[in-house]
Amino acid sequence: AQSVTQPDIHITVSEGASLELRCNYSYGATPYLFWYVQSPGQGLQLLLKYFSGDTLVQGIKGFEAEFKRSQSSFNLRKPSVHWSDAAEYFCAVGDDRGSTLGRLYFGRGTQLTVWP
Amino acid sequence: DARVTQTPRHKVTEMGQEVTMRCQPILGHNTVFWYRQTMMQGLELLAYFRNRAPLDDSGMPKDRFSAEMPDATLATLKIQPSEPRDSAVYFCASGLDGVSYEQYFGPGTRLTVT
Repeated sequence: AQSVTQPDIHITVSEGASLELRCNYSYGATPYLFWYVQSPGQGLQLLLKYFSGDTLVQGIKGFEAEFKRSQSSFNLRKPSVHWSDAAEYFCAVGDDRGSTLGRLYFGRGTQLTVWP
Repeated sequence: DARVTQTPRHKVTEMGQEVTMRCQPILGHNTVFWYRQTMMQGLELLAYFRNRAPLDDSGMPKDRFSAEMPDATLATLKIQPSEPRDSAVYFCASGLDGVSYEQYFGPGTRLTVT
């Protein structure tokens, strides 16, 4: 069954520091991968997605993620974090098969705190 | 700027009352998803629709929850009777099959059952 693991429940970084949020997935075929961000009291907003092609994908707000098939990973990165990046981040894998076509499987999320 | 809208944004009700949450998907989207988010369980998929047909509602407690799409512009999630354990934030999301699989989320309905 499809699943997503985000090993870090909470990460704290200083403003200006680099960031990497980890995501591992379990999926039998070529995955469709996503990162979403949720600010307090808000819905989830799509940061970036990977379908095929270049394994390094760029997203909004200066984020990027790299798909590594050999490691079943899709880690999110940002070279310099801003205080406004404090939020919860969700990794998801999409299902493109049969009756569950279009369904997303979400990880439990990583809460990011940014120190000034 | 196309967005998913949800009403109400906040709902406080007493145990045993009926609760109806509404969602307007992005115009032209053909998939609609209902999620529930709690601290304990995280984000759970309750039900989803494609072209207004229910595909999977295995995540819903069938005895009290129901989800429908009366038309392409409206999705509803009902709880009857509501219980304190239903307190959560309920999100609706919509997407477009065959083009991409990303989902666009609404702002959520925060439900408190006392």
